[in-house]
Amino acid sequence: QVQLVQSGAEVKKPGASVKVSCKASGYTFTSYYMHWVRQAPGQGLEWMGIINPSGGSTSYAQKFQGRVTMTRDTSTSTVYMELSSLRSEDTAVYYCARDRSYIAPWGDYDAFDIWGQGTMVTVSS
Amino acid sequence: EIVMTQSPATLSVSPGERATLSCRASQSVSSNLAWYQQKPGQAPRLLIYGASTRATGIPARFSGSGSGTEFTLTISSLQSEDFAVYYCQQYNNWPGTFGQGTKLEIK
Repeated sequence: QVQLVQSGAEVKKPGASVKVSCKASGYTFTSYYMHWVRQAPGQGLEWMGIINPSGGSTSYAQKFQGRVTMTRDTSTSTVYMELSSLRSEDTAVYYCARDRSYIAPWGDYDAFDIWGQGTMVTVSS
Repeated sequence: EIVMTQSPATLSVSPGERATLSCRASQSVSSNLAWYQQKPGQAPRLLIYGASTRATGIPARFSGSGSGTEFTLTISSLQSEDFAVYYCQQYNNWPGTFGQGTKLEIK
């Protein structure tokens, strides 16, 4: 079945970086964009950015520009999200989520139909 | 950035009754509006996209309506498994933005 499986929880110190993985299965990896969304404890959902698994193009929310890098490995159907210069406010659950549209034009994004289970990232000294 | 505002923040409803949740956009998002359900400790689940189309496997008691700036999610007869937090999201203009959520609790 279609699923996204994320890497395990992380604990990092302020100023460090974290890299979260999201492995896709059950569908053609390169045919659907992948988003990253985070959720701070007890808070709502915040979109971080998107990657095209086919060509590797990315678009990031302005808030994370310069601190986030999204990459992919087509040989393992895995996308990665790396966030640097971590601070306590980055403590959150990070989700990958598949864009619903099949081979959509870049920039023409849709709702998120499949979500990973989430990865808790804790930033603490 | 488009601001999505959901109301009420908390809604108390008895099982078997109807629940109506609202979402307002700060500018028109056409019909590019989705609803998600999130239970504690779980990832969000897509319920509705295109403002009114149910996602795969979503029961018919869930329905969405609206366009432009005003949207509604209706759950016709609440089941015990429906008590959760619901988020709306616009994907007409990026960054896609979410509402702050409505917590649907048992009355």
